[in-house]
Amino acid sequence: AQSVAQPEDQVNVAEGNPLTVKCTYSVSGNPYLFWYVQYPNRGLQFLLKYITGDNLVKGSYGFEAEFNKSQTSFHLKKPSALVSDSALYFCAVRDLNTGGFKTIFGAGTRLFVKA
Amino acid sequence: GAGVSQSPSNKVTEKGKDVELRCDPISGHTALYWYRQSLGQGLEFLIYFQGNSAPDKSGLPSDRFSAERTGGSVSTLTIQRTQQEDSAVYLCASSSPGGRDTQYFGPGTRLTVL
Repeated sequence: AQSVAQPEDQVNVAEGNPLTVKCTYSVSGNPYLFWYVQYPNRGLQFLLKYITGDNLVKGSYGFEAEFNKSQTSFHLKKPSALVSDSALYFCAVRDLNTGGFKTIFGAGTRLFVKA
Repeated sequence: GAGVSQSPSNKVTEKGKDVELRCDPISGHTALYWYRQSLGQGLEFLIYFQGNSAPDKSGLPSDRFSAERTGGSVSTLTIQRTQQEDSAVYLCASSSPGGRDTQYFGPGTRLTVL
């Protein structure tokens, strides 16, 4: 069965500094990996995904994530954080080999960006 | 175009009552998912529907929970004999055919069981 771990409940970053939100996963086969963001009082929004190809994936709002197969990680990064990036971030995984659509989400990491 | 819609946006019920939550997916999306987000928790997978295939119900927490999708479009999540621990935000998402596709989420239904 697939699983996702987001080891940090909260990440605090100063505006303008780089940010990293960590995610590790476990699947029996090849993964599809996703990042979603939930802004206050708004619904969940897609940020980016890794399916195949380049390990570095670029997404919305200047975010990127690097797929590392050996470390089974898919950390979310941004070179320069904005106060408006403050939100709840979810990593998610789908196991390609099971052939199903079941998607498992992590517990979420709350990002606070201080001005 | 229109996104995923859910109704009601808020539902307050008494313990032991049944509730029905509705989801209208994006037109043309064949996959539909239900999740539960409890306060301070992540998203818990409940069930998904894909076209005419049998739904994956592996995430439903008990037999009090059921869901159906009529005509390949609208879905209803039913919780029978609600308990206080059922209080949560219930999220629906849809995606277009193919396992690669991203999910588009509705605004959710906040269920409070008194």
